[in-house]
Amino acid sequence: GQQLNQSPQSMFIQEGEDVSMNCTSSSIFNTWLWYKQEPGEGPVLLIALYKAGELTSNGRLTAQFGITRKDSFLNISASIPSDVGIYFCAGLPNAGGTSYGKLTFGQGTILTVHP
Amino acid sequence: DAGVIQSPRHEVTEMGQEVTLRCKPISGHDYLFWYRQTMMRGLELLIYFNNNVPIDDSGMPEDRFSAKMPNASFSTLKIQPSEPRDSAVYFCASSSRRSLYGYTFGSGTRLTVV
Repeated sequence: GQQLNQSPQSMFIQEGEDVSMNCTSSSIFNTWLWYKQEPGEGPVLLIALYKAGELTSNGRLTAQFGITRKDSFLNISASIPSDVGIYFCAGLPNAGGTSYGKLTFGQGTILTVHP
Repeated sequence: DAGVIQSPRHEVTEMGQEVTLRCKPISGHDYLFWYRQTMMRGLELLIYFNNNVPIDDSGMPEDRFSAKMPNASFSTLKIQPSEPRDSAVYFCASSSRRSLYGYTFGSGTRLTVV
């Protein structure tokens, strides 16, 4: 089946540094999503991207939908300790029919922020 | 809104026993998803419902797993008999097409089968 390759697998950074992570696929996706998961909780949606080339921000977070529709990246600027968690990309291969909801998740990027 | 509510939060059971996980989706959401999360396989979609009807159960590992949604406010995922390899965190999520894939996940049920 379709797979998303997310990198890096983990990051250890100092507070205040910027963070960048990305997701690539061999297949085209029509929707890209970025989630954050904190310990003991379910993933929480951060940003949703619906059009190739789209650049969307949510506070210190910025995500882009790659022009080829096979990749996406997430940037976090000026990281703070509460940014700690696992970040997942997720993709949806097409916009409707019985494929709705069949998100494919990346393996996650574990982010550790040192104060 | 209380969000997606799952119970129990933790379940420890012996191999061979029946396990039932429960989920209450967000009111008004017409899609409900069951996911499983493990270190080895990450997040896997098991089954999803639309308007209480199962749409795709191709992710259900085997016949020991079954899921039901008797009404719009309740769903169960049952494992019978349970095996140690079923140990994982099981998430329920709900969504509405109007919210354009804005899934809301529950806090999960951590299942340990010994």
